[in-house]
Formats: sequence, structure tokens, C-alpha cells
Amino acid sequence: SQQGEEDPQALSIQEGENATMNCSYKTSINNLQWYRQNSGRGLVHLILIRSNEREKHSGRLRVTLDTSKKSSSLLITASRAADTASYFCATVSVSAGNNRKLIWGLGTSLAVNP
Amino acid sequence: EPEVTQTPSHQVTQMGQEVILRCVPISNHLYFYWYRQILGQKVEFLVSFYNNEISEKSEIFDDQFSVERPDGSNFTLKIRSTKLEDSAMYFCASSPEETQYFGPGTRLLVL
Repeated sequence: SQQGEEDPQALSIQEGENATMNCSYKTSINNLQWYRQNSGRGLVHLILIRSNEREKHSGRLRVTLDTSKKSSSLLITASRAADTASYFCATVSVSAGNNRKLIWGLGTSLAVNP
Repeated sequence: EPEVTQTPSHQVTQMGQEVILRCVPISNHLYFYWYRQILGQKVEFLVSFYNNEISEKSEIFDDQFSVERPDGSNFTLKIRSTKLEDSAMYFCASSPEETQYFGPGTRLLVL
């Protein structure tokens, strides 16, 4: 099943603008995590939001979760050229138990132009 | 800050050869994972490991794949007889509880 579908697939903005990326998923989740990947590099954990949380902040990042719509959004405020990367949402389903495998979307490719 | 490390960073091999990808998870983490990402595609779960045994594996993780934690610190993924379609970036992750921390990946190219 396809879990964690991000939109848009690609986003290009100017430095200083805000970037919003959305993620939808299909099954009931335990938590949802956002990761960042610079081209060809590793996956860096950004933020985790649990199913009983609606919003979380970390620095310039703001994540929301709407379990009734099975969707999440990642907002990056005051973007910088260094924010250029791919951003992925990944979910852990309720049925995962101790396995906690992450199910991934295709990601949003963000380009922040100086 | 502790990090997950992986070696090698790149591996080129001939089809049918065995490869071993190595990972050193963050110490005191309890859960370990392997994922892979074929170029341009989603990250895919391969296998999870907890309490010294496989806790779940995906359909991709067939008899050609195996994992080991040989010495309490390393966590290895072995592919016995590589296929062309095994070419991908392989990521190891470890987790104390919920958040998974990823290594930089091994880029495997099967010729």
C-alpha cells in the first residue's frame, strides 16, 4: 500500500519565503516522522509527531497532524538556501507493535533560491 | 553526538557475488533496521531487528538476504547472490524507542 504521499512533488521558492509540504497516509498511525535528505546523502530526522498530538515546533519547523484527514504538513519558515533538499514523511502504523517499521512517501523536492 | 555509521560508502560488485554491508548503530539503542532506496523511488523497509532476532521482514527480504549482529556492536546485511535490481542505496537505522536515526548509507551498484 502507498503510505505517506507528499505533495507537492517539487517546490521552488525564494530565500526568506515559507515552504509548506503536505503528506497523506492511509492506515491508522502511531506516529509520523519527517526526514530530510540532501542529494544522494543520508536521511536526517527532523521531527516526530504522535497520533495524539496536533502540532509540534522545532526551530523554524512546524508540523501539524490531522488524524481525521490522515494528513500532516511541514512548514519551514524563513527558508534558506541550505534548506534545499528532499523532505519525506514516514509513518509507523498502529499495528506495528514492536516492529515500528517506517513506511515512506516519495518526498517533496524543495529548492530554495538565493 | 553519537551517529550511526555505515561502511563501505560505495560498493561495486558483479552480479551473483556476495556483499556484506556493515553498520554500527548508536550504542544503547535497542531497535535496528535496514532500508533501501532505489534511485528515484521511495525508501523501502527491508528488515527490523530487536532482541537479537528479526522482528519483521518485508517481501523484498527473501532468502538471499540475511542480517547479523555478530559482536554486539556491528549490524550487518548480507546479500548472498546479488542481482542487478539490488542496486540501490542501503540505509541502516537504529532507535532507542520511536525516533529512528539513520546512517549515511551504502551505495551498492551491481553490474
